[in-house]
Amino acid sequence: EPEVTQTPSHQVTQMGQEVILRCVPISNHLYFYWYRQILGQKVEFLVSFYNNEISEKSEIFDDQFSVERPDGSNFTLKIRSTKLEDSAMYFCASSETTGYSGDTQYFGPGTRLTVL
Amino acid sequence: AQSVTQLGSHVSVSEGALVLLRCNYSSSVPPYLFWYVQYPNQGLQLLLKYTSAATLVKGINGFEAEFKKSETSFHLTKPSAHMSDAAEYFCAVSDRGYGGSQGNLIFGKGTKLSVKP
Repeated sequence: EPEVTQTPSHQVTQMGQEVILRCVPISNHLYFYWYRQILGQKVEFLVSFYNNEISEKSEIFDDQFSVERPDGSNFTLKIRSTKLEDSAMYFCASSETTGYSGDTQYFGPGTRLTVL
Repeated sequence: AQSVTQLGSHVSVSEGALVLLRCNYSSSVPPYLFWYVQYPNQGLQLLLKYTSAATLVKGINGFEAEFKKSETSFHLTKPSAHMSDAAEYFCAVSDRGYGGSQGNLIFGKGTKLSVKP
């Protein structure tokens, strides 16, 4: 069964460093998402991406974040200058683009980011 | 604005007992509702979703949920718990609602289910 994959599973970085989290969505899906979950808190939406551009972003997704689809398979989240509060589990998700809000989003296993 | 509240961060049941995980939603439009499960070290997997076709929704692994508009609830149940059901369960609502365009998910805090032998 097709699945969303994410690498690395765990990333440790120093405050102020740049990190890139990678995701491979399901191959025929066209909508991509990033969510994050700070330990003990809710899973929160960060950004959605469709047709090579950001479709929507939350207030969390400020200028230090960026997303990219560098090729036909990868979808990346870059944090330019990490802060301690960026420590969280980051989930990538994808969905087929039937274009309605009941679409199922398929999630990857997550990348745990630890900022020291 | 849409929101979801899951009552109980941790629920413990005996094997074979009824599982009931509570979810209440708030939505300004007819909602789309989802239950996801996360097993240790794995991603979020869809259990079931409500998209207005039927109020009683059956999902994978014997789980089902009933949409009750009058109670703004979408509780998840399973008649008989198995050890393999031990996981964290998340209720979510689409931020767009029925008839809306592609939306984002708004999650509850999750409920960790433990199953005792």
